[in-house]
Amino acid sequence: EVQLVESGGGLIQPGGSLRLSCAASGFTFGSYWMHWVRQAPGKGLVWLSYSNAAESDTNYADSVKGRFTISRDNARNTLYLQMNSLRNDDTAVYFCARGGGANYAGLEYWGRGTLVTVSS
Amino acid sequence: QSMLTQPPSVSGTPGQRVSISCSGSYSNVARSAVYWYQRLPGAAPKLIVTSTNHRPSGVPDRFSGSKSGTSAPLAINGLQSEDEAEYFCAAWDDSLNGHVFGGGTKLTVL
Repeated sequence: EVQLVESGGGLIQPGGSLRLSCAASGFTFGSYWMHWVRQAPGKGLVWLSYSNAAESDTNYADSVKGRFTISRDNARNTLYLQMNSLRNDDTAVYFCARGGGANYAGLEYWGRGTLVTVSS
Repeated sequence: QSMLTQPPSVSGTPGQRVSISCSGSYSNVARSAVYWYQRLPGAAPKLIVTSTNHRPSGVPDRFSGSKSGTSAPLAINGLQSEDEAEYFCAAWDDSLNGHVFGGGTKLTVL
């Protein structure tokens, strides 16, 4: 059974940093594209970033480019999102998701998410 | 911030057919496959329509997607109480080199 479990969320002050983790199991993690998506309170889903299996192809939404960094450790079956210079509007539930065979493929499996609250 | 447009809410009675609209642009819906995700309260989002009109294994055939130009609705036939959830459409956007989502539609089964 495919499982994705996010962790690392919490309360952080504006300007601070946080690293989210996504532990994967039930599939060959090192063979899949992975994504981060977030949902702010009362808002829709917003795609943030993707990484291919080798981490050689990554991309970011404009809203987080230069502040967030996606990375992965295929030996540990773990995806990461390093978030710097956090702002109030980064407050959201953050999901990791497994992609298909390409960056444009649908997000086949998702975790339950981890809540990040940016507030002073 | 949502790039695709969905109605905030729709409702129906058990057994009824409902449709949720999804409108995009040439750089996303018109040129790419469309995906639909279902999110039950507190649960992980679940892919229910892939490649515009295909259902992943285990998804009931009551759910069906289609596309015409920049519009890609989701239809749910024979509505059931367990279908009450939030539904999101999504597509790849060539100009952004990323996925774009709709704002979500809350489906209420009366």
